[in-house]
Amino acid sequence: NAGVTQTPKFRVLKTGQSMTLLCAQDMNHEYMYWYRQDPGMGLRLIHYSVGEGTTAKGEVPDGYNVSRLKKQNFLLGLESAAPSQTSVYFCASSYSRVTGSYEQYFGPGTRLTVT
Amino acid sequence: EDKVVQSPLSLVVHEGDTVTLNCSYEVTNFRSLLWYKQEKKAPTFLFMLTSSGIEKKSGRLSSILDKKELSSILNITATQTGDSAIYLCAGYNTDKLIFGTGTRLQVFP
Repeated sequence: NAGVTQTPKFRVLKTGQSMTLLCAQDMNHEYMYWYRQDPGMGLRLIHYSVGEGTTAKGEVPDGYNVSRLKKQNFLLGLESAAPSQTSVYFCASSYSRVTGSYEQYFGPGTRLTVT
Repeated sequence: EDKVVQSPLSLVVHEGDTVTLNCSYEVTNFRSLLWYKQEKKAPTFLFMLTSSGIEKKSGRLSSILDKKELSSILNITATQTGDSAIYLCAGYNTDKLIFGTGTRLQVFP
């Protein structure tokens, strides 16, 4: 039971490059989330999904896109990276229909630097 | 606009001290309040509080929710250096969490 995993762990991009971050969970959770964390700003929600095939915007969605084609995976894409997107990105999942619990569990994070 | 405010922003104590961290929330469709501990990596779940006035306890940590005051506290007794971390609280709005910016706790020997 790996919980929530993220790939890659680290990445350096040049301005204008694109990339996709992958999040996977094996807890059969319905909901999945992407956050970014910057010093002094706390965790800010980028996009989230309450089920396979559905996505919704969070607090800071601009410059990012997401897809949830399979229940266990949630992809975060940066089409044209900007230095302002330098951050630590966390994926999280929650809500089990079996247990009815809503605790959110986090992946280990991806440190992204855009130069 | 939903918001969660934590205080103090930062706290420095010596081992053995007891600390109280505060969290106040204004969250529409509030469902529950969660506490997390974050060291140098991902936040780890501590407590989820749904009912007012019922204390949740785990070892030296305890927490309680006051829905009338829209607040929660996290108590840590007999602090240890391993308690040094950022403590985050978050309010659940229907299907997503609204996080505070955290309280940084430093425990010195």
